[in-house]
Amino acid sequence: AQSVTQLGSHVSVSEGALVLLRCNYSSSVPPYLFWYVQYPNQGLQLLLKYTSAATLVKGINGFEAEFKKSETSFHLTKPSAHMSDAAEYFCAVSDEYGNKLVFGAGTILRVKS
Amino acid sequence: DAMVIQNPRYQVTQFGKPVTLSCSQTLNHNVMYWYQQKSSQAPKLLFHYYDKDFNNEADTPDNFQSRRPNTSFCFLDIRSPGLGDAAMYLCATSRDPGGGIFYEQYFGPGTRLTVT
Repeated sequence: AQSVTQLGSHVSVSEGALVLLRCNYSSSVPPYLFWYVQYPNQGLQLLLKYTSAATLVKGINGFEAEFKKSETSFHLTKPSAHMSDAAEYFCAVSDEYGNKLVFGAGTILRVKS
Repeated sequence: DAMVIQNPRYQVTQFGKPVTLSCSQTLNHNVMYWYQQKSSQAPKLLFHYYDKDFNNEADTPDNFQSRRPNTSFCFLDIRSPGLGDAAMYLCATSRDPGGGIFYEQYFGPGTRLTVT
């Protein structure tokens, strides 16, 4: 069974600072991994995905994530935070069939001016 | 633009009064999903349709049912809502997974259900 652990339910950064949101996964099969962003009272928007191609994945809005099998991690980063990045971020894992996403508990990102 | 649409965005129902949430899509995806997201929690899969084949998660309460009359529409029926069913309900779609090709899920904006 797959599972995801997101370290830190709340992360606060200053505008222009590095964003690092942590995600560790557990999977019995080669995983597909995702980061989604959710703004208040809205659905989830896909930021990026890892599907066993390149281990460094670039997504929208300047975000990227690196798949590290040895560490079972898929941390999300952005070099310079913007106020508009304030939202909740979910890491998710899927099996190879893609029909079941298991989400982490989410990390709320706050960006200070 | 192709998209996933959920109506209504906000729904208030009374304790025990049946309620139906609607999802439609213009993506022509053959897989549709319903997730429940309670306050400050991660989305949790309730069930999904692979074309007309219904797949229920083992821990989804019997109080939750779903219908998919055609490719474009999917409904979530809550037969007797309890206070614990207050949540955001998210619909998602994807193309046929498997076969060595993976397709991600596209989410609608959600319906926030309040039970009074």
